[in-house]
Amino acid sequence: EVQLVESGGGLVQPGGSLRLSCVTSGFTFSRNDMNWVRQAPGKGLEWLSYISSGSETIYYADSVQGRFTISRDNAKNSLYLQMSSLRADDTAMYYCVREVPQADYWGQGTLVTVSS
Amino acid sequence: IALTQSPGTLSLSPGERATLFCRASQSVGSGYLAWYQHKPGQSPRLLIFGASNRATGIPDRFSGSVSGTDFTRFTLTISRLEPEDFALYYCQHYGGSPSRFTFGPGTRVDFK
Repeated sequence: EVQLVESGGGLVQPGGSLRLSCVTSGFTFSRNDMNWVRQAPGKGLEWLSYISSGSETIYYADSVQGRFTISRDNAKNSLYLQMSSLRADDTAMYYCVREVPQADYWGQGTLVTVSS
Repeated sequence: IALTQSPGTLSLSPGERATLFCRASQSVGSGYLAWYQHKPGQSPRLLIFGASNRATGIPDRFSGSVSGTDFTRFTLTISRLEPEDFALYYCQHYGGSPSRFTFGPGTRVDFK
């Protein structure tokens, strides 16, 4: 069974940092491209970042470029999102998503709240 | 590519047919258009990929189609609404570069 389990969310002050993790199982992680997608309260889904299976190619949405860093550890079947300079509008549920190329499996999400 | 969805809200009763529309600002290459169902407290669920292919485990009351030959107009049809189908539905273009996923704003299907 394919599983993606995010963690690392929480309450952080504006300007702060947070590192999200996504541990996967049930498939060959090293062969799959991965993404992060978020949903702010009352808003739609927003793609944030992509990383290819071997980390050769990385993309970011303009909204997080320069502030967020995606990475992966294929030996640990894990995906990461390092977030810095966080703002109130980064408050959202963050999802780890497998790409095949459609987004076929999503984690349950981890909630990030940016507030003083 | 930008996606628009219509209507914003669809108010229907169980057993009725639901027709949801998604329009792309330009041709979606290779038919890379998907539909997702999203319920509160859950992660989005893939329903349709490649415009018309049902994902694993999706009931056949869900179907996707494309209108015309320019790959800009897409439809999700739920033939007979079940109580568990009342949810938010998103269309999505995938495989883009650098933006891998582009989502429409969503259509909410709620109880009349």
